[in-house]
Amino acid sequence: EVQLVESGGGLVQPGGSLRLSCAASGFTFSSYEMNWVRQAPGKGLEWVSYISSSGSTIYYADSVKGRFTISRDNAKNSLYLQMNSLRAEDTAVYYCARAAIRQTAFDIWGQGTMVTVSS
Amino acid sequence: QSVLTQPPSVSGAPGQRVTISCTGSSSNIGAGYDVHWYQQLPGTAPKLLIYGNSNRPSGVPDRFSGSKSGTSASLAITGLQAEDEADYYCQSYDSSLSALFGGGTKLTVL
Repeated sequence: EVQLVESGGGLVQPGGSLRLSCAASGFTFSSYEMNWVRQAPGKGLEWVSYISSSGSTIYYADSVKGRFTISRDNAKNSLYLQMNSLRAEDTAVYYCARAAIRQTAFDIWGQGTMVTVSS
Repeated sequence: QSVLTQPPSVSGAPGQRVTISCTGSSSNIGAGYDVHWYQQLPGTAPKLLIYGNSNRPSGVPDRFSGSKSGTSASLAITGLQAEDEADYYCQSYDSSLSALFGGGTKLTVL
């Protein structure tokens, strides 16, 4: 079964750090581009970051640029999001999402992990 | 305020047809980037519904269809069913290669 499972969410104080992980299974992880997408409570979807299949190309939303770092370990079938200098407005469910081959759509999503930034 | 504009809500009775619009600009949809649609049932992760403007992934009923014209796109749902009640999001890209989502549309089945 093709699956993405996020972990690492939790409660963190403003200014703190957190590292999210996304474990992939059921497909050749190293062949796919990956993304992080977040959803604040009661709000819509917001794209956060993209990484190419090899990890050589990376993009960030302006709202997280300079604070978040996306990375991947193809040997471990894992995607990561290092989040530093966290703010209250970063509170959201964070989803990892696979980009479809030869498409710009996100065809597989994880169940999400909740990140709460609060003192 | 999302760059891609969707109506906050739409509604329809069972069996009816509803459409959800997604309006962008010349720097995203109008620049030729594909539009994709996602369905998010309450408390669940989004699910890909339409990709490449008008294509359905395997398993998505043909009651769902998508189209794109100029700087806008639309999702149509025919034969509305109670289980279609969900939030729907359009998605595209802009010239800076940032993925964009619409603000989302809540579909209520009356």
